[in-house]
Amino acid sequence: AQKVTQAQTEISVVEKEDVTLDCVYETRDTTYYLFWYKQPPSGELVFLIRRNSFDEQNEISGRYSWNFQKSTSSFNFTITASQVVDSAVYFCALSETSNSGYALNFGKGTSLLVTP
Amino acid sequence: DAGVIQSPRHEVTEMGQEVTLRCKPISGHNSLFWYRQTMMRGLELLIYFNNNVPIDDSGMPEDRFSAKMPNASFSTLKIQPSEPRDSAVYFCASIQGGLGYTFGSGTRLTVV
Repeated sequence: AQKVTQAQTEISVVEKEDVTLDCVYETRDTTYYLFWYKQPPSGELVFLIRRNSFDEQNEISGRYSWNFQKSTSSFNFTITASQVVDSAVYFCALSETSNSGYALNFGKGTSLLVTP
Repeated sequence: DAGVIQSPRHEVTEMGQEVTLRCKPISGHNSLFWYRQTMMRGLELLIYFNNNVPIDDSGMPEDRFSAKMPNASFSTLKIQPSEPRDSAVYFCASIQGGLGYTFGSGTRLTVV
């Protein structure tokens, strides 16, 4: 069963638009970690954020913000005033402490295209 | 720190040949993971090591795949014999106590 669902396969926006990438996860653990990674066309996986299940405080880092809601098992990612350089595939991932020592369960990814 | 280092970056080989992928984790990290990325299956865990010991290899697709970690600074993933369906990007990642999850740049394997 898929533990991390990223329902949006592809999103296309025009530069300067705001865009939200959705992530819904499933776990029975009370302690777990959620991640977002960016994979630009060059192929590497770039770490963006890690949150633990006890910290529901939303986080903002520049144009990036994350909304973590345990009640809906969601960890959504918003890019404000998108730029062409934001074009990439974005992955949400779950790490359950009860399973494989911090191994990551990845969603299928959302491909974001930002056009000028 | 140079980060997680993988080699080679690209590998093209003929079906039936042996392929060895290499990974050097970040110094001090005690867990190492091998992931595979394909269009069909996305990113999936193959195997992970804790303190150089293989803990979970349930993701290794079949006996043709093997992984070793002879010491804290080196790991290999071997495919013998390789098949076209093994074509993928293979990532190595290392962490310390659940923190600092860092991926290498990946090895793009093409089996023809």
